[in-house]
Amino acid sequence: ETGVTQSPTHLIKTRGQQVTLRCSSQSGHNTVSWYQQALGQGPQFIFQYYREEENGRGNFPPRFSGLQFPNYSSELNVNALELDDSALYLCASSNRDLVIDTQYFGPGTRLTVL
Amino acid sequence: DAKTTQPTSMDCAEGRAANLPCNHSTISGNEYVYWYRQIHSQGPQYIIHGLKNNETNEMASLIITEDRKSSTLILPHATLRDTAVYYCIVRSRNTGGFKTIFGAGTRLFVKA
Repeated sequence: ETGVTQSPTHLIKTRGQQVTLRCSSQSGHNTVSWYQQALGQGPQFIFQYYREEENGRGNFPPRFSGLQFPNYSSELNVNALELDDSALYLCASSNRDLVIDTQYFGPGTRLTVL
Repeated sequence: DAKTTQPTSMDCAEGRAANLPCNHSTISGNEYVYWYRQIHSQGPQYIIHGLKNNETNEMASLIITEDRKSSTLILPHATLRDTAVYYCIVRSRNTGGFKTIFGAGTRLFVKA
């Protein structure tokens, strides 16, 4: 157990809808990174939040957005859902203030877009 | 693109050591080598990391070559529960956004 939790576990949406996924970081961590993992592939970096600000972004369109709250929990929002957004969404928390900022992953949210 | 190269799959007999190789020939001086594993659609599990010295913990050992261009993860006594996809990653806290780039990983099958 890493102490990183995600909700919901599973979610089914239809094309064009919007979705919000949530992540609670491990105690003592101030950084949350989000990843998208399509079936059979490795996780792809979406973006990272450090102390409530976006700190870096992967190759994802603006309809993928996020927030980090003062308690360092985070949300991933996806607008105008497309079929290809069906994937396992992972969050990882870490402490970027440390020299070695090991990321610890949550169990993921499985999103299915119909 | 991932900065690491790993074999697509490997087999290992239960109770034997599993040696998983990883090439990272373009690794920078401040980049660490991290290993994670993922068991059937669960979140990736942190295993071990290292910079240039060999490392050992309760899960595994990490051997990094002197030139740092490759490494090997060793599971000393593999069990059936070690069947998973193993990811080798190089990353640095100085990389913009601390982006972590995963490759396809090595699918390890531990057989009875």
